[in-house]
Amino acid sequence: ETGVTQSPTHLIKTRGQQVTLRCSSQSGHNTVSWYQQALGQGPQFIFQYYREEENGRGNFPPRFSGLQFPNYSSELNVNALELDDSALYLCASSWDGGYGYTFGSGTRLTVV
Amino acid sequence: AQSVSQHNHHVILSEAASLELGCNYSYGGTVNLFWYVQYPGQHLQLLLKYFSGDPLVKGIKGFEAEFIKSKFSFNLRKPSVQWSDTAEYFCAVPFSGGYQKVTFGTGTKLQVIP
Repeated sequence: ETGVTQSPTHLIKTRGQQVTLRCSSQSGHNTVSWYQQALGQGPQFIFQYYREEENGRGNFPPRFSGLQFPNYSSELNVNALELDDSALYLCASSWDGGYGYTFGSGTRLTVV
Repeated sequence: AQSVSQHNHHVILSEAASLELGCNYSYGGTVNLFWYVQYPGQHLQLLLKYFSGDPLVKGIKGFEAEFIKSKFSFNLRKPSVQWSDTAEYFCAVPFSGGYQKVTFGTGTKLQVIP
């Protein structure tokens, strides 16, 4: 049983640029949730994808967007990067949106 | 909206000391609660969860938590910590309203000194 894999592990971007983060869900899981964990904070829910559609969103602006593919992998896109977007981005997969989350190790994004 | 608060941001203990990490929640309805752990360089893992039933919940690696409704608390405990328990611990509450999300507390960094 494979876990959740995220790529890249680290990334440095310049303010105003765009970034795409990737997540492969655990085998058998069809739901992907994305979280942002800023330094010194707990993870904050960004959105959830189920059957290739966004079915829930946290308090994040529209420049945070995502996709889910037929194989249940997912992408998180962030446009017009701001310094405050610097954080660890976590992907979690589950079955039918349940709470049996499996988290990935995250992508550390630094915006300079 | 549900929320959880963790008042201890950084705890330092010697090996074999007892541990209790505080977690308070605010929500008036049915309460479900989690504790997650994040070891250095590793992914978040579920330590234990409370959905209903026995308010004393046992989790992995010797951890337990007690749900006290009257105090709105769900404190994490371990009788004797080990150096390998050094990690960040998050109390969390799930939300279910057409989709599932988890609201996390700010976390407590535990450092165990050999």
